[in-house]
Amino acid sequence: QVHLVQSGTEVRKPGSSVKVSCTASGSTFRNFAISWVRQAPGQGLEWMGRILPIFGTADYAPKFQGRVTITADESTSTAYMELSSLNSNDTAIYYCADGGGGLDPWGQGTLVTVSS
Amino acid sequence: DIQMTQSPSTLSASVGDRVIITCRASENIKSFLNWYQQKPGKAPKLLIYAAASLETGVPSRFTGSGSGTDFALTVSSLQPEDFATYYCQQSSRTPWTFGRGTTVELK
Repeated sequence: QVHLVQSGTEVRKPGSSVKVSCTASGSTFRNFAISWVRQAPGQGLEWMGRILPIFGTADYAPKFQGRVTITADESTSTAYMELSSLNSNDTAIYYCADGGGGLDPWGQGTLVTVSS
Repeated sequence: DIQMTQSPSTLSASVGDRVIITCRASENIKSFLNWYQQKPGKAPKLLIYAAASLETGVPSRFTGSGSGTDFALTVSSLQPEDFATYYCQQSSRTPWTFGRGTTVELK
């Protein structure tokens, strides 16, 4: 059974960066397609981008292009999402999820708070 | 980007009701449409993928329909555990996009 476990809560100051991890288990990591989706408080879901470890390539939503970097480390079955130039609007829960279309399963979510 | 328009934004219903949530895409997405359920404080859960395929373990009272630009999620007989927020999502082309959500609340 595929399982995704994310790193813990982060607090950052405006202008800084954050890197969230997502460790996969239950299947060959190269078979995964890891997306990152965020949810601001009381708001809906927003797809940020994804990586296919088998190719090592990532694609990003235009809104986040230049500010987000998604990587994968096959040796540890871990995907990473790094978001830079943080501002208060980036305060959200960040989820990783697996899937080439429908996303399942999801990680438990990582709360990132941006505050001075 | 493909825009996904969900309606209604809020739906008040009773246990046992049949409820329908609709989702419209701004362009033809064939059957690349997925539905999720989210409860407070939890990650979303995939219910339906490819417009009409029921995810393993999801009760059969949930059905998905549609293709092209118009889609629907139907709950045949609402159960207490179904009060939640539902999202549609297109996976036709990136950036993948979600509808704004439909909250099903107790009437």
